[in-house]
Amino acid sequence: SAVISQKPSRDICQRGTSLTIQCQVDSQVTMMFWYRQQPGQSLTLIATANQGSEATYESGFVIDKFPISRPNLTFSTLTVSNMSPEDSSIYLCSVDQSGTIHGYTFGSGTRLTVV
Amino acid sequence: GDSVTQMEGPVTLSEEAFLTINCTYTATGYPSLFWYVQYPGEGLQLLLKATKADDKGSNKGFEATYRKETTSFHLEKGSVQVSDSAVYFCASGGGTSYGKLTFGQGTILTVHP
Repeated sequence: SAVISQKPSRDICQRGTSLTIQCQVDSQVTMMFWYRQQPGQSLTLIATANQGSEATYESGFVIDKFPISRPNLTFSTLTVSNMSPEDSSIYLCSVDQSGTIHGYTFGSGTRLTVV
Repeated sequence: GDSVTQMEGPVTLSEEAFLTINCTYTATGYPSLFWYVQYPGEGLQLLLKATKADDKGSNKGFEATYRKETTSFHLEKGSVQVSDSAVYFCASGGGTSYGKLTFGQGTILTVHP
């Protein structure tokens, strides 16, 4: 399966600031996904990022708060903007490398704490 | 929309006990079903998967069978170990939700020696 490098692995940020999370894959993938895992909760899909087009956001998530870049087939970034303590979560990227439903792989996650 | 419901935890067992974690799903189309595991302080790992009805996924002694008639994908292990202590997530993907995974709420498993 694909190997995903996600960074930073953790960060503590001041409220009102922004943090950009990077996700690098060792092979070309069509679709990349960004998830959020709030403390003690399950994973919720934030958006789907395809190369060459705008990301598709799920209900409850907006581009102004979570802008996403997808400059090529191996890389994506998620920015958490104007952070508040409620944004404290683990953020994970995921890829479906084969273009089918058989190859979901997750990055190790970014543990974000907003103070 | 699609949804996944897991049995509520936490689940606490003694070593060598039998484990069942229930999972049911609702989906349009024919999703694939997954179990992911998250060990303390680590990322999410695929444990097993099944892509069509009656398929059985298995890995590390864990098994789950895709039951379309009961829309279930229960996770089982005959003899748990302390090292199995983790959070287990059931998920569905594919069908009309192509490319996205819908997760259950997660079940915390603690195994005591």
